[in-house]
Amino acid sequence: EDQVTQSPEALRLQEGESSSLNCSYTVSGLRGLFWYRQDPGKGPEFLFTLYSAGEEKEKERLKATLTKKESFLHITAPKPEDSATYLCAVQAAQGGSEKLVFGKGTKLTVNP
Amino acid sequence: DSGVTQTPKHLITATGQRVTLRCSPRSGDLSVYWYQQSLDQGLQFLIQYYNGEERAKGNILERFSAQQFPDLHSELNLSSLELGDSALYFCASSVLGLAEETQYFGPGTRLLVL
Repeated sequence: EDQVTQSPEALRLQEGESSSLNCSYTVSGLRGLFWYRQDPGKGPEFLFTLYSAGEEKEKERLKATLTKKESFLHITAPKPEDSATYLCAVQAAQGGSEKLVFGKGTKLTVNP
Repeated sequence: DSGVTQTPKHLITATGQRVTLRCSPRSGDLSVYWYQQSLDQGLQFLIQYYNGEERAKGNILERFSAQQFPDLHSELNLSSLELGDSALYFCASSVLGLAEETQYFGPGTRLLVL
């Protein structure tokens, strides 16, 4: 069964303190790995899609990387407005059924 | 703003009742997905439609049903509601519903069953 595990569950950083969030996955036939940001009570907001091991993508203070078993979301010099829950999801193709499987997220708090 | 709209934003109802949630996809998107998010389960895929036809099914209860109309909007019907159905329900859309495509999420409908 496809599984996505995110760690840590929660992370508190001081403003400017860089860190990384982890997403490990077990899936056959990976078609894509997606990172989303979700603010409380809001819908997930798309950040990145990664398709193959070795791929990297950047956006402002965020950088996502992908290996064959996990993905990292690196946050450089975070600001309080980066506080949110970060969700990782994988899209796999199995037996003609394709679905997005989400991890439970990492809740990031950045203190000023 | 993702371009996906959902109504209503909030819904409070009683056990045993039936409700309908509505979703309009982004302009040009043919595929719609429904997800349920509860505190303990995270985001769970329910069902996908593409151009009016059901394409994939996830952990959707038999009490729940959905459809996509010719104008591409979608409705999720929840019946015989139970306390445990209280959750955030999200709709997402993508262009062709392919696995590699990004899904863009709406703002959600918060359902509270009392």
